[in-house]
Amino acid sequence: NAGVTQTPKFQVLKTGQSMTLQCAQDMNHNSMYWYRQDPGMGLRLIYYSASEGTTDKGEVPNGYNVSRLNKREFSLRLESAAPSQTSVYFCASSEGSLRGGSPLHFGNGTRLTVT
Amino acid sequence: SQQGEEDPQALSIQEGENATMNCSYKTSINNLQWYRQNSGRGLVHLILIRSNEREKHSGRLRVTLDTSKKSSSLLITASRAADTASYFCATGSGNTPLVFGKGTRLSVIA
Repeated sequence: NAGVTQTPKFQVLKTGQSMTLQCAQDMNHNSMYWYRQDPGMGLRLIYYSASEGTTDKGEVPNGYNVSRLNKREFSLRLESAAPSQTSVYFCASSEGSLRGGSPLHFGNGTRLTVT
Repeated sequence: SQQGEEDPQALSIQEGENATMNCSYKTSINNLQWYRQNSGRGLVHLILIRSNEREKHSGRLRVTLDTSKKSSSLLITASRAADTASYFCATGSGNTPLVFGKGTRLSVIA
């Protein structure tokens, strides 16, 4: 039982390059999330998907796009990477509704550096 | 923007001592959750307390919630070196995703 799996673990991009961060969960969870974590800033929500087929913006969506490919997979795309997107990116999933307060299960992160 | 703010930002204690971390928030909530993050890893859920609850226990963890003061505390009793980590509170409001604070870095010295 892997939980939440993120790939790649590390990535270095040049400014202007694009890439997709992959996330998959095997817990049959309904909701999935992308957060970024920067020193001194805690975790900030980029996008989330409350259920298969829906996606919504979080606090810091600019420069990112997402796809909820199916119930298991939720990808995050950087179309034209910028140094300000250097961060650690975490994918998470939860079983129930947002209102219900289901705990989040996190992957181990993707460490992205944009030069 | 951050909803919860943890205090202190960093805490260093000796093994066997108790560690207390606080979280304050601004708006009404449905629930408040605490998470732990070990260095280089993802966050791990510790405990959830709902807005109609005042205290919950889980092993060596005790969480309190005071909705009138919009604050919560996490107490870790008899701390161990393995408790060294960052601890985050996260608040749930309405039908929106959790909002995380900036965390408290706990160092437990053997």
